[in-house]
Amino acid sequence: QVQLVQSGAEVKKPGASVKVSCKASGYTFTAYYIHWVRQTPGQGLEWMGWISPKNGGTNYPQKFQGRVTMTRDTSSNTAYMEVNRLISDDTAVYYCVREDGGSSPFDSWGQGTLVIVSS
Amino acid sequence: QVVLTQSPSASASLGASVKLTCTLSSRHSTYPIAWHQHQPEKGPRYLMRLNSDGSHIKGDGIPDRFSGSSSGAERYLTISSLQSEDEADYFCQTWDTAVRVFGGGTTLTVL
Repeated sequence: QVQLVQSGAEVKKPGASVKVSCKASGYTFTAYYIHWVRQTPGQGLEWMGWISPKNGGTNYPQKFQGRVTMTRDTSSNTAYMEVNRLISDDTAVYYCVREDGGSSPFDSWGQGTLVIVSS
Repeated sequence: QVVLTQSPSASASLGASVKLTCTLSSRHSTYPIAWHQHQPEKGPRYLMRLNSDGSHIKGDGIPDRFSGSSSGAERYLTISSLQSEDEADYFCQTWDTAVRVFGGGTTLTVL
């Protein structure tokens, strides 16, 4: 069955970077987009962008351009998201999500990775 | 940009039915959406894709108790024969050329 398994919780200081991994199994990794979504405490869900595992192409909303980088390793079926210059407002649970192209819904979620930014 | 609006909370009794609503911004009333369930301490789970004509495609293993329907800009999720494990956050999601959008979510309490 389709599974997205994320790396464990992180605690970081303001100004640092964090890199979260998402290992896919149960399907052809390069056939689906991977998106990243976060949920901040008491807030709703926020879309952070996508990566195409097939060719490495990425797309980020303006809010995250220049501070978020998404990459992938097709040899291990793993997607990564790095957030730089962390601030306290980046404290959130981060999810990777699978999507079958731009006309489809998110159809499988990772279990989430808690990132705490605190001095 | 497309906006999705949901009521923050809902409640219903064990064994009863409940209908949750997700409303699209008026300019985007024909958009399809997806419903997702988020139980405490778990990752979200995809429930179904719901089109403007009410047709829907459920995710793998989603029980028949979950169904979807549409009317104009409103998209509904109906859960029948409520069980305790249905207590969760339910949120809708849609997509446009360059953006993915979420509703604020509805917290369902099973009484």
